[in-house]
Amino acid sequence: DGGITQSPKYLFRKEGQNVTLSCEQNLNHDAMYWYRQDPGQGLRLIYYSQIVNDFQKGDIAEGYSVSREKKESFPLTVTSAQKNPTAFYLCASSIRALGEQYFGPGTRLTVT
Amino acid sequence: GENVEQHPSTLSVQEGDSAVIKCTYSDSASNYFPWYKQELGKRPQLIIDIRSNVGEKKDQRIAVTLNKTAKHFSLHITETQPEDSAVYFCAASSPTDDKVIFGPGTSLSVIP
Repeated sequence: DGGITQSPKYLFRKEGQNVTLSCEQNLNHDAMYWYRQDPGQGLRLIYYSQIVNDFQKGDIAEGYSVSREKKESFPLTVTSAQKNPTAFYLCASSIRALGEQYFGPGTRLTVT
Repeated sequence: GENVEQHPSTLSVQEGDSAVIKCTYSDSASNYFPWYKQELGKRPQLIIDIRSNVGEKKDQRIAVTLNKTAKHFSLHITETQPEDSAVYFCAASSPTDDKVIFGPGTSLSVIP
């Protein structure tokens, strides 16, 4: 379980505010991912990064932004443009693409 | 892009019976197919994976089969135990874009 952390565990925001979710890993993994988990919809890919200073959009990137300035960090910003931001957000990392992903404990975001 | 379907969405079995979960994918270039288990309140964890150069892989009570021609793969759990109760996700990944696309999940209940 150790090696990849997300903070905070619970986050509450008012509508119209941007919010940044933290994801840190000390596994020396090159690849990092952000997923959104909603009941009955599995894990949907928001953004992913194979290497520092590079990242690609996933299937539901609209209303989100990321940065990858350091290998161990991949923060996700949920902007006010995201129409339905309340969800459970999972970060993951892997040694390389197409390999086992290690997930963080998740952040549950509630926007009212 | 890749699309992964998964059936059934819920599955109940008696302890000791077998459970089978089936997935289909759309991108013929996909060559990596992991399965993750998510227990209630916990993060997803890899339980088994298969690459396109093999048709079957086994690990104790868990096995995965892959039919590349038909673009489907299945998870088989034998001699189910109550601790197998969880949500199971299949996924597919293509070297074309290195994205890992998950299915919607199957909630497995093993009845003692």
